[in-house]
Amino acid sequence: SQKIEQNSEALNIQEGKTATLTCNYTNYSPAYLQWYRQDPGRGPVFLLLIRENEKEKRKERLKVTFDTTLKQSLFHITASQPADSATYLCALKKNTGFQKLVFGTGTRLLVSP
Amino acid sequence: DTEVTQTPKHLVMGMTNKKSLKCEQHMGHRAMYWYKQKAKKPPELMFVYSYEKLSINESVPSRFSPECPNSSLLNLHLHALQPEDSALYLCASSQEGQGGDTQYFGPGTRLTVL
Repeated sequence: SQKIEQNSEALNIQEGKTATLTCNYTNYSPAYLQWYRQDPGRGPVFLLLIRENEKEKRKERLKVTFDTTLKQSLFHITASQPADSATYLCALKKNTGFQKLVFGTGTRLLVSP
Repeated sequence: DTEVTQTPKHLVMGMTNKKSLKCEQHMGHRAMYWYKQKAKKPPELMFVYSYEKLSINESVPSRFSPECPNSSLLNLHLHALQPEDSALYLCASSQEGQGGDTQYFGPGTRLTVL
């Protein structure tokens, strides 16, 4: 069966460190993968999109990698700040089925001062 | 304008009420979506309007009824809801309407059904 797995446990890190979040998927062949940030009770906000032929994408303090062999994406936030505390969702593009953009359950990141 | 707006922010309704959720975008996007999200779960797609043509998630009960008056506006009409329908309802839009492209979400409506 198809699965998108993100660590359901919260990730706690200290301010200034690099946060690394993982998105693993099974039985998908996504043309691209997206990362979103979601604050409690709010809608997700798009952060980055990485295509299957791209190994790495950067935007300011954010970096995303995409390994289609391992079926995994890593999302890094460098020099993390308390304001980065949120839930981060990965989303895969599907070619079939009603819902073409399928989301993982997200990982909650807590950055302590 | 890169914003999707939703009203109301919060809604409490009884099982016999009729209410509507509203969504608006002025980015010229050709697709608009309704998602339902329960706590600690991913957003689940309910309806898509792509170039004002409706696609439906067959598992969504008929007590939810979408309406797209024009390409900028999206409504979700609610009637005879059940307590299990309590959730965060998210509206989103996307540029191309192909379903897998980047979604721009509104802030959501927190719905509580008593």
